[in-house]
Amino acid sequence: GNSVTQMEGPVTLSEEAFLTINCTYTATGYPSLFWYVQYPGEGLQLLLKATKADDKGSNKGFEATYRKETTSFHLEKGSVQVSDSAVYFCALRTGFQKLVFGTGTRLLVSP
Amino acid sequence: DTAVSQTPKYLVTQMGNDKSIKCEQNLGHDTMYWYKQDSKKFLKIMFSYNNKELIINETVPNRFSPKSPDKAHLNLHINSLELGDSAVYFCASSQEGGSHYEQYFGPGTRLTVT
Repeated sequence: GNSVTQMEGPVTLSEEAFLTINCTYTATGYPSLFWYVQYPGEGLQLLLKATKADDKGSNKGFEATYRKETTSFHLEKGSVQVSDSAVYFCALRTGFQKLVFGTGTRLLVSP
Repeated sequence: DTAVSQTPKYLVTQMGNDKSIKCEQNLGHDTMYWYKQDSKKFLKIMFSYNNKELIINETVPNRFSPKSPDKAHLNLHINSLELGDSAVYFCASSQEGGSHYEQYFGPGTRLTVT
């Protein structure tokens, strides 16, 4: 079946540090890949997406590249801010409507 | 304007009660979903409706019954609430059939069963 594996958190960084959150997936077919972010007390927001191999999704300084050969979609940001503190979810979707989520990775950024 | 809204935001109730959560989207999407997020933040789909038709029904107790009166609304009714039903329930919507499959989420309903 389809599944997503994310690194366990929390990830604790100082402001302006480099961020990587690892995500790998198992899927039949050719999934679309997503990163969602959940700020405290809020719902999920789509952060970025990639729909085919080698696509790079980017938004708000975050980037992730769809790597078919390593079945990965790692999230990166060059310089994190305190306001980036949130839970980040990697997700995939194949031909059916449902999203399959990873377990989420909490990011804590201190000043 | 809120794209996907849910009511109530918080719901505290006792075991055995029956409760409903409502969801509305004003994006003109044709597909709506219910997800459950447990205390460890794990998210899992429960149901999906496309044009008011049930498309996805994961392994969910039949105490949970979704109802879609029209494309813009998807409600969730829960009978005989149990302690294990305590979670945050998220509604989402998307437009199927195109190249954009983004799902837009509501703010969530935190259900606490005592």
